[in-house]
Amino acid sequence: AQKITQTQPGMFVQEKEAVTLDCTYDTSDPSYGLFWYKQPSSGEMIFLIYQGSYDQQNATEGRYSLNFQKARKSANLVISASQLGDSAMYFCAMKGETSGSRLTFGEGTQLTVNP
Amino acid sequence: KAGVTQTPRYLIKTRGQQVTLSCSPISGHRSVSWYQQTPGQGLQFLFEYFSETQRNKGNFPGRFSGRQFSNSRSEMNVSTLELGDSALYLCASSELAGRRGSPLHFGNGTRLTVT
Repeated sequence: AQKITQTQPGMFVQEKEAVTLDCTYDTSDPSYGLFWYKQPSSGEMIFLIYQGSYDQQNATEGRYSLNFQKARKSANLVISASQLGDSAMYFCAMKGETSGSRLTFGEGTQLTVNP
Repeated sequence: KAGVTQTPRYLIKTRGQQVTLSCSPISGHRSVSWYQQTPGQGLQFLFEYFSETQRNKGNFPGRFSGRQFSNSRSEMNVSTLELGDSALYLCASSELAGRRGSPLHFGNGTRLTVT
C-alpha cells in the first residue's frame, strides 16, 4: 500500500519568486514512481514531472524540479520564477511496481501566486 | 495528438437513476483508469482497464462498473445513484500499463451532480 502526505493546504508566493511544495510518501514497494500534477479550476489534471525511485538525479522539467530525498521519503516540487498562471491545486502522487496504473494521491496544496 | 476526451462535461441526475460516462483515451494508449474526486475524500481510484480487461479495482461498491472497448474507449456506469456520488469523475490514459514511469494523462472530467 502507498500513502502520500501533503502538509500544506495552501501556499502563497509572489510572482517571479520560487516556491517549494512539500510531499512525503510511504510505501512497501522497493520500486516506485513519484508524480506531480497541477489542477487548475477548470478541473483537468496536468502532468508536470516524474521521479523514479532508482533515478540518480533529481528530475527537472522547465521551471519545475523535484527535490527527491529517498532516505527521508520526500519528493518536494520546486517551482522557479512563479507566474500568475501557476495558481492552481497541486497534487503529489505515486505508484508502486505492484500498482499497475493505479495512482495514490495526496490531499493537494492550493498555490496562489500574487502579482 | 488529441488529449483524453470525456463526455459529457456536466451531468445532473436524480437519486436512484443510473448514469454512463464516456472516455476516449489518447490515440495509441491502451490503459484507461477512472478516478473520483470529492472535497471530502480527495482523489480515489475506481478501476483500470487494459486491452478490454479490468486489471485493478478500487474500494467502491458494485454500483460502480466500467468497461473498455476494442478501440480502447471506456465507459463507466453508476447505478442507483446516491447523493454522495456527486463528484468530479476523471478518466486517465497511459501508454504503458503498469510501467512505473509511464505518466497518466487526464481528461477534463465529468462533473456529476446528484439531486
